Amino acid sequence: QVTLRESGPALVKPTQTLTLTCIFSGFSLSETGMCVTWIRQPPGKALEWLARIDWDDNKHYNTSLKTRLAVSKDTSKNQVILTISNVDTMDTGTYFCARAVDCTGAWFDPWGQGILVTVSA
Amino acid sequence: QSVLTQPPSVSGAPRQRVTLSCSGGSSNIGNNAVNWYQQLPGKAPKLLIYFDDLLPSGVSDRFSGSKSGTSASLAISGLQSEDEAEYFCATRDDSLRGPVFGGGTKVTVL
Repeated sequence: QVTLRESGPALVKPTQTLTLTCIFSGFSLSETGMCVTWIRQPPGKALEWLARIDWDDNKHYNTSLKTRLAVSKDTSKNQVILTISNVDTMDTGTYFCARAVDCTGAWFDPWGQGILVTVSA
Repeated sequence: QSVLTQPPSVSGAPRQRVTLSCSGGSSNIGNNAVNWYQQLPGKAPKLLIYFDDLLPSGVSDRFSGSKSGTSASLAISGLQSEDEAEYFCATRDDSLRGPVFGGGTKVTVL
């Protein structure tokens, strides 16, 4: 059974760097074809794709946020880490990680429960 | 403003059939598979339809997906109170080089 869970701070101050960790089980990111993605959802708004990391360590980013995002993986710990630098209030929202079944598409299954992050002074 | 356009809300009576639309363009829906997600209040999205019209194991066959040109649709037949949720369409956009989502449609059961 594949599961994912997000962890990180609930509150971050503007200009700080937000670090989120996705802890997963039921698959290995060293296995060919495996990918993990990050998606966020501002309160009451739509989903927004952020980043993806592939089994071969290739990384892909939302072009509008690319300069502030960094994704990495620790295969031995079954973890994927997302950092967002220089956060502001617009980064407030729920952050989800998910397995990207089709790495290049939008087929995500399953999703983590999500973590609500608030950016506020 | 989302790349994919969905109506903000749709409502229907119990046992009725409703259809949700998702409109895009040639760089997204017109050239890539569409997936649908159901998000119950306060929960994470759940995969409902993948590759335009395929049902994941465990998803009720009251849900069905279709695609034509640059538009996709999700139909819910035999509407039930448990179907009250937000529904999002998603696909890859070749111009943006990544996945894009619709703005979501809130389904209300009258």
